[in-house]
Amino acid sequence: EDKVVQSPLSLVVHEGDTVTLNCSYEVTNFRSLLWYKQEKKAPTFLFMLTSSGIEKKSGRLSSILDKKELFSILNITATQTGDSAIYLCAGILNFGNEKLTFGTGTRLTIIP
Amino acid sequence: DGGITQSPKYLFRKEGQNVTLSCEQNLNHDAMYWYRQDPGQGLRLIYYSQIVNDFQKGDIAEGYSVSREKKESFPLTVTSAQKNPTAFYLCASRKVGTEAFFGQGTRLTVV
Repeated sequence: EDKVVQSPLSLVVHEGDTVTLNCSYEVTNFRSLLWYKQEKKAPTFLFMLTSSGIEKKSGRLSSILDKKELFSILNITATQTGDSAIYLCAGILNFGNEKLTFGTGTRLTIIP
Repeated sequence: DGGITQSPKYLFRKEGQNVTLSCEQNLNHDAMYWYRQDPGQGLRLIYYSQIVNDFQKGDIAEGYSVSREKKESFPLTVTSAQKNPTAFYLCASRKVGTEAFFGQGTRLTVV
């Protein structure tokens, strides 16, 4: 069964700290992995990763994929209170099948 | 404006009733999805559809039904067979090879 696992489930840090969120997956035929941020209702898209070893960056956020070890990380540097949210990882895990499977999410809380 | 619209935002259901949640998109996306989110949890896939007139069960399909008669619309019916339907429901759509876009969600409460 295709599966996406995130860790930790929750994380509390102080403003200014750097955090690393983890996402691992068990798949039949991997296609792509996506990261989302959810603050209140609709998740907002952060990154889509398809190639191993290529870092994607957007401001203080960055993400990278390791297809050999079947995991991805999301880094947030110089955290701010506005980074407090649930971070969701999702995978398109099969060729010819558009099933989009999410992990359990990581709840990140930034303390001022 | 292009986007994905869910309605209603809040829905109250009496025990034993079926209710239907609406999801409409004007993004010309082929794939559409329904997820359930419980407090403090991630998203669990209920049903998804890759093309019109076709859909597949997700991981928690029991007690739910869907239809995909038009490309733009993917309504979800929560039936009386769903024993614990109180949750936040999110609809998403995507073009193959790209990210998914989400609606603002429907919060369903059993009264």
